[in-house]
Amino acid sequence: DAKTTQPTSMDCAEGRAANLPCNHSTISGNEYVYWYRQIHSQGPQYIIHGLKNNETNEMASLIITEDRKSSTLILPHATLRDTAVYYCIVRVKGKSSGDKLTFGTGTRLAVRP
Amino acid sequence: EAQVTQNPRYLITVTGKKLTVTCSQNMNHEYMSWYRQDPGLGLRQIYYSMNVEVTDKGDVPEGYKVSRKEKRNFPLILESPSPNQTSLYFCASSPPHAGTGREQYFGPGTRLTVT
Repeated sequence: DAKTTQPTSMDCAEGRAANLPCNHSTISGNEYVYWYRQIHSQGPQYIIHGLKNNETNEMASLIITEDRKSSTLILPHATLRDTAVYYCIVRVKGKSSGDKLTFGTGTRLAVRP
Repeated sequence: EAQVTQNPRYLITVTGKKLTVTCSQNMNHEYMSWYRQDPGLGLRQIYYSMNVEVTDKGDVPEGYKVSRKEKRNFPLILESPSPNQTSLYFCASSPPHAGTGREQYFGPGTRLTVT
């Protein structure tokens, strides 16, 4: 299973872009990068995922490097409600494990007023 | 509204008293799963179900049972709870694989304390 490495914490000013990095240097060719977030002990919330192309949705953008060894989640205009722990996950594949998501410790993002 | 619901949200119980945490989803998802979250350990999968009557162990199944008699429900059963099962529990569901990965929808969590 590919492991991910994220900074423990970050902060950004409200209204500015938040760029959250993730390293996944052992990712294999058919593994996706997923991002989830968890706001204060609520259930984790799916944000975005990608394989090798950059992706954008209404919540965020995901930039994956060409060698796929790292990625960046971008929240274009962070608000106070974006304060949460952000998890970068490489999806475990295989029938024996189902769709297990292996959550690490994530990045605690604090958005400052 | 599409959602995953869990009940109860909070529960304090005593060692050995059987309990069930219910999980229900209204999105017709085939895949459902239970996780527990503990400080410093992240979320760990307990059991999962690929479809009705199909369940399998996750990483930490000891002390837990599940059943999947209907597509929408996936209860978590603790036959004889112990203090080390004090944790925050999440149920999750996801749609059938669409070839490009799939996202999981999580319930609001159940905070269980076993004394």
